[in-house]
Amino acid sequence: KAGVTQTPRYLIKTRGQQVTLSCSPISGHRSVSWYQQTPGQGLQFLFEYFSETQRNKGNFPGRFSGRQFSNSRSEMNVSTLELGDSALYLCASSLGQGSGYTFGSGTRLTVV
Amino acid sequence: QQQVKQSPQSLIVQKGGISIINCAYENTAFDYFPWYQQFPGKGPALLIAIRPDVSEKKEGRFTISFNKSAKQFSLHIMDSQPGDSATYFCAASQAGTALIFGKGTTLSVSS
Repeated sequence: KAGVTQTPRYLIKTRGQQVTLSCSPISGHRSVSWYQQTPGQGLQFLFEYFSETQRNKGNFPGRFSGRQFSNSRSEMNVSTLELGDSALYLCASSLGQGSGYTFGSGTRLTVV
Repeated sequence: QQQVKQSPQSLIVQKGGISIINCAYENTAFDYFPWYQQFPGKGPALLIAIRPDVSEKKEGRFTISFNKSAKQFSLHIMDSQPGDSATYFCAASQAGTALIFGKGTTLSVSS
């Protein structure tokens, strides 16, 4: 059974640019969550999608957005990149509320 | 406001010893408490989880102890092995909301 797949694994962008990250959940999982991981702040919740609808949103600026497609695949977009956006972005999928989350290996974003 | 506080930040244990990591939470509405293990270059992997109606859960060498009145829960790793060296995160969530993670504990098991 394939796990959660995130692409690309590594990304280097220039300040001011925008970036799109992709996440393919485990087959059958309809919930996809995104987290930002940094050494200083740890794992912070960005947002969660379930059946193409954003169900929860963390405390991040509007530059961070996401969407989910009918096949449950999800994308996350960050516009007007800042140096502080450099982080590991993790996607996690689950069957739904109350179920365990399975994380992907993440996308390492470096903003220069 | 940090809703889940994890300690210690780092831990060194000898092979065969017991590793203990503690977490405290504030929100009494939390009803799901998982522990995740993360190796360098990988995403966190679910290790074991507990719900507040149970005081202890054991899976192999890993045990969660849960104290509802103290709002604390802990992970015990028995017979710790070098392969257990990783970063461990506790987390908590309330039905329908996102996981809130602790800051993590870096465990090193010396051989």
